[in-house]
Amino acid sequence: ETVLTQSPGTLSLSPGERATLSCRASQSVLSDYLAWYQQKPDQAPRLLIYRASTRAAGIPDRFSGSGSGADFTLTISRLETEDFAVYYCQLYGGSLAITFGQGTRLEI
Amino acid sequence: QVQLQESGPGLVKPSETLSLTCTVSGGSIRSYYCSWLRQTPGKGLEWIGYIHSGGNTNYNPSLKSRVSLSIDTSKNQFSLSLTSVTASDTAVYYCARLLGYSLDLWGQGSLVTVSS
Repeated sequence: ETVLTQSPGTLSLSPGERATLSCRASQSVLSDYLAWYQQKPDQAPRLLIYRASTRAAGIPDRFSGSGSGADFTLTISRLETEDFAVYYCQLYGGSLAITFGQGTRLEI
Repeated sequence: QVQLQESGPGLVKPSETLSLTCTVSGGSIRSYYCSWLRQTPGKGLEWIGYIHSGGNTNYNPSLKSRVSLSIDTSKNQFSLSLTSVTASDTAVYYCARLLGYSLDLWGQGSLVTVSS
C-alpha cells in the first residue's frame, strides 16, 4: 500500500503570497493517478487538480500542480482569502484503490 | 448540472446496520463509478468502496467484510450498507463520482453518529 505524506501540516501565509504544498508518496507512482482537493469547513472536498497537473473545470489558473515519481506539488501563485482551507492529495491504484494524504491546513 | 445528495439516518445504534443512499440528479448514473468515502477528525478521509453502474464493485480491504454497495439505475441512486457498526464508524459519509482516477463530484456529506 502506498502512503501519501503531505507537508507541511500547517502553512501560515498572507493574501497575495505564494503557497507551495508538498505530497510525497512512499513509492513511485504514475502521475495520472495523483489528484489534489480543497476542503473548506463544513463542505465536501472539491477537486482542484487531476493527473497531477490538469486543473478541474472552473478552477482558477493561480492553482497549479506539478511533479512526478514520488514527489508532487500544489502551488497557489497569489493567495486570495477564499483559498485558506485544507488541501489533500489523493492517489488511485493498488490494493487500496483510493488513498488520501493527511492534509495541509493553509491558514492566514 | 449533475448533483449528488446523501440521505439516511443520522443516528445508528451499535451493532446495527448503517444505510445511506446517494441520489444523483441532473444526469444519469449509467456508466458511472459511484464511490463512498467517510471522514473523521482522527482518520481523515477514508475510501470505503465504489460500484460501477454495471455492478462491478471494489471495497476497502479493511471494511470489506462489513460493506455492501448497490445501485438502482432506474432511480438514479446508489446505496451503502455497513453492518455491525461501532462508535469508530461515526463519521461524515460522502458519495462521490469517480471519473478516471479522481473524484470530480461530491455530495454535501451526511453525518452519521453511532450511539445507543
